[in-house]
Amino acid sequence: ETGVTQSPTHLIKTRGQQVTLRCSSQSGHNTVSWYQQALGQGPQFIFQYYREEENGRGNFPPRFSGLQFPNYSSELNVNALELDDSALYLCASRRQANYGYTFGSGTRLTVV
Amino acid sequence: QQQVKQSPQSLIVQKGGISIINCAYENTAFDYFPWYQQFPGKGPALLIAIRPDVSEKKEGRFTISFNKSAKQFSLHIMDSQPGDSATYFCAASTRSVSGTYKYIFGTGTRLKVLA
Repeated sequence: ETGVTQSPTHLIKTRGQQVTLRCSSQSGHNTVSWYQQALGQGPQFIFQYYREEENGRGNFPPRFSGLQFPNYSSELNVNALELDDSALYLCASRRQANYGYTFGSGTRLTVV
Repeated sequence: QQQVKQSPQSLIVQKGGISIINCAYENTAFDYFPWYQQFPGKGPALLIAIRPDVSEKKEGRFTISFNKSAKQFSLHIMDSQPGDSATYFCAASTRSVSGTYKYIFGTGTRLKVLA
């Protein structure tokens, strides 16, 4: 297993811009979730994708959206960036029958 | 009701000592309780997890104690080492009707083990 890889590792964007973060999950991991981790806080659930469809969302506005692809990769898109969107964004994946999520190292997004 | 309360916020332990981190929850529907370890600049890594039908689980130096009636669970790190210095998060999850497994994380405990 190659783990969960995320890109880019760091990103600086201007308020109002749009950003796409990418994640490559382990083979066979058909469930992927995205989390936002503010500095000094625990990760907050954004949404989950299962077999390329969103099947759960946390308390995040619609400008946070995602995609999951058949090759176990996924994207998190954020439109109209706000300063408070500055955080570490984590991708996590797991096999269907295994509750334990494997997290990537995250993308550190800074909005200025 | 969806919160998981974690304490202490920070912890300093001497090498060889026992580190204890506590978490409490309200939602009795939670059925999976993992602990994650996070080093600076890295994502959380699964350390150990427990289900509510078990009161204790041990893996090496790490033990989870689970008290279902009190809705509390704790992580014990025996023989703590400087390499254990990291931030630890407890979490709780349950399966929603749509099939979502959402983790609710605690706020984290920053552990420092002195050499």
